[in-house]
Amino acid sequence: DQQVKQNSPSLSVQEGRISILNCDYTNSMFDYFLWYKKYPAEGPTFLISISSIKDKNEDGRFTVFLNKSAKHLSLHIVPSQPGDSAVYFCAAKVRDMRFGAGTRLTVKP
Amino acid sequence: NAGVTQTPKFRILKIGQSMTLQCAQDMNHNYMYWYRQDPGMGLKLIYYSVGAGITDKGEVPNGYNVSRSTTEDFPLRLELAAPSQTSVYFCASSQLEREAFFGQGTRLTVV
Repeated sequence: DQQVKQNSPSLSVQEGRISILNCDYTNSMFDYFLWYKKYPAEGPTFLISISSIKDKNEDGRFTVFLNKSAKHLSLHIVPSQPGDSAVYFCAAKVRDMRFGAGTRLTVKP
Repeated sequence: NAGVTQTPKFRILKIGQSMTLQCAQDMNHNYMYWYRQDPGMGLKLIYYSVGAGITDKGEVPNGYNVSRSTTEDFPLRLELAAPSQTSVYFCASSQLEREAFFGQGTRLTVV
């Protein structure tokens, strides 16, 4: 039962443009959502989060949007940089924390 | 500031052997988690704990056991290793409504 879904395995964007990564969830009990960045042979690194009582959270170049009625969240990266190239995971929490399958972002110079 | 420490980093097991993956955190977090990541896949939750003495199953608990006797430690036990348990294992810790911090992972191969 995949409660958190990332339907795009990969995304390629040009440096300086916007990257939009999407995530859908099925469990309406989730009350906290997170995005993680992961490099090979390393543990995931926290990027940004949002509580279910909000619909937007910004941190520098990163913004997360939450649409509870659609059970959908997205991560916007503006402007995208080559160093942003990594696998991005969305996650959702109640007591436990469930992850999507990840989206590999490639930012081309 | 160690954060979340996992040992060992690498291990090769023979089928049927047992082992314990160690995880320790020094942030006084109540919540701790064990995940596995298979090649090209996301992280699957094996077990989690919301505090000392309390553990719960995640998505893929079969073949594993955990204990949480202290706030700091959350070991994961494999009793009869099988090739299907070849994976990278990640431990994480957090407080409620806060981000989780991950260890560097343990790469396990069962042959």
